[in-house]
Amino acid sequence: NAGVTQTPKFQVLKTGQSMTLQCAQDMNHNSMYWYRQDPGMGLRLIYYSASEGTTDKGEVPNGYNVSRLNKREFSLRLESAAPSQTSVYFCASGREFRTEAFFGQGTRLTVV
Amino acid sequence: DQQVKQNSPSLSVQEGRISILNCDYTNSMFDYFLWYKKYPAEGPTFLISISSIKDKNEDGRFTVFLNKSAKHLSLHIVPSQPGDSAVYFCAASLNSGGYQKVTFGTGTKLQVIP
Repeated sequence: NAGVTQTPKFQVLKTGQSMTLQCAQDMNHNSMYWYRQDPGMGLRLIYYSASEGTTDKGEVPNGYNVSRLNKREFSLRLESAAPSQTSVYFCASGREFRTEAFFGQGTRLTVV
Repeated sequence: DQQVKQNSPSLSVQEGRISILNCDYTNSMFDYFLWYKKYPAEGPTFLISISSIKDKNEDGRFTVFLNKSAKHLSLHIVPSQPGDSAVYFCAASLNSGGYQKVTFGTGTKLQVIP
């Protein structure tokens, strides 16, 4: 009963490097999301996918790209990491965008 | 522009007493509200929600109250237990440009003292 699984849990990148954060859910949810959490800022939506094959920008999409690979998987890519992208990243899924979301354990990313 | 505000960064309560966590919002278009609980090194977990057509929703020890005229939301935990110690986020949802936009508050860290 995994729920939402994110990999990796921790990552340190150098400025300019790229990486992909992986997310998979086993609850057959249509909607999936990527959030970032910064001190004093709450959780902010980066991108979301209302259903397989669709993706849309959230509140803070700049510097990121996403891929909804299939119904289960939703990845987040940083093409050229910047120190401002140091954050904790959470993937989540839900039946619909409006209903409660189920979150993964998070990825703590540090860009030096 | 923080549309969902949790003005108390932290709260301490004795075990067995009531915990009241508050949340204010500025956008009257929000029509659905949620509370999440987050333990360290874990993702947030959904706790309870309320639609804007209601003013109260109860689930066991947790009750959410909505005062639309004051644009104020509160979560009551009765009785509080040490396991309730966590960060609590309120969130508000509205339809924005064809999708449901969810905005989170900054969180309140609750400590329940045994």
